[in-house]
Amino acid sequence: GENVEQHPSTLSVQEGDSAVIKCTYSDSASNYFPWYKQELGKRPQLIIDIRSNVGEKKDQRIAVTLNKTAKHFSLHITETQPEDSAVYFCAASIPNAGNMLTFGGGTRLMVKP
Amino acid sequence: DSGVTQTPKHLITATGQRVTLRCSPRSGDLSVYWYQQSLDQGLQFLIQYYNGEERAKGNILERFSAQQFPDLHSELNLSSLELGDSALYFCASSVGQGVIYGYTFGSGTRLTVV
Repeated sequence: GENVEQHPSTLSVQEGDSAVIKCTYSDSASNYFPWYKQELGKRPQLIIDIRSNVGEKKDQRIAVTLNKTAKHFSLHITETQPEDSAVYFCAASIPNAGNMLTFGGGTRLMVKP
Repeated sequence: DSGVTQTPKHLITATGQRVTLRCSPRSGDLSVYWYQQSLDQGLQFLIQYYNGEERAKGNILERFSAQQFPDLHSELNLSSLELGDSALYFCASSVGQGVIYGYTFGSGTRLTVV
């Protein structure tokens, strides 16, 4: 089955700096890659996703890049703000697998004011 | 409100007891997924149901079981509870077939075993 690894497990940045979280996946058939943000004690919420026919997608301060050859994808947050502090999860999905998502282990992002 | 409803929000129970967690998926979603999240841990996949049938199983203990009913709501039953079962239990839903979309998570049930 699919295996998703996520790095780093914790990331501390100064407010205004950029943050990058990286994930690798094992199954080259994976074609859908969402990112979730989870604030303390709350539910994970989808913040951005990318499909395998696209190399990059942007939504205001967040962007995701996908390198299918290397089987890795990354989340980029620019101009970080304290409210960006949360745990971020990447995930990957294989077609015809019942929409099953395999999640990475999570990255705790701390943005210091 | 995500459209995925989980009840109860909090549950405190004693070791050895049995509890049932309930999840109603978002309207139109046929698939339900259960996840366990212990303190400072990731999302551990337990089980998936699609249109009433079990579709995939993850690291679910034998003491745990689940089902999805004809109205598509799902229940997760946890029995012979141990202290280590204390965690946040999330339910998520998706269409479950066709074009893949991300899951929508419910707000979770926080289970405390004392």
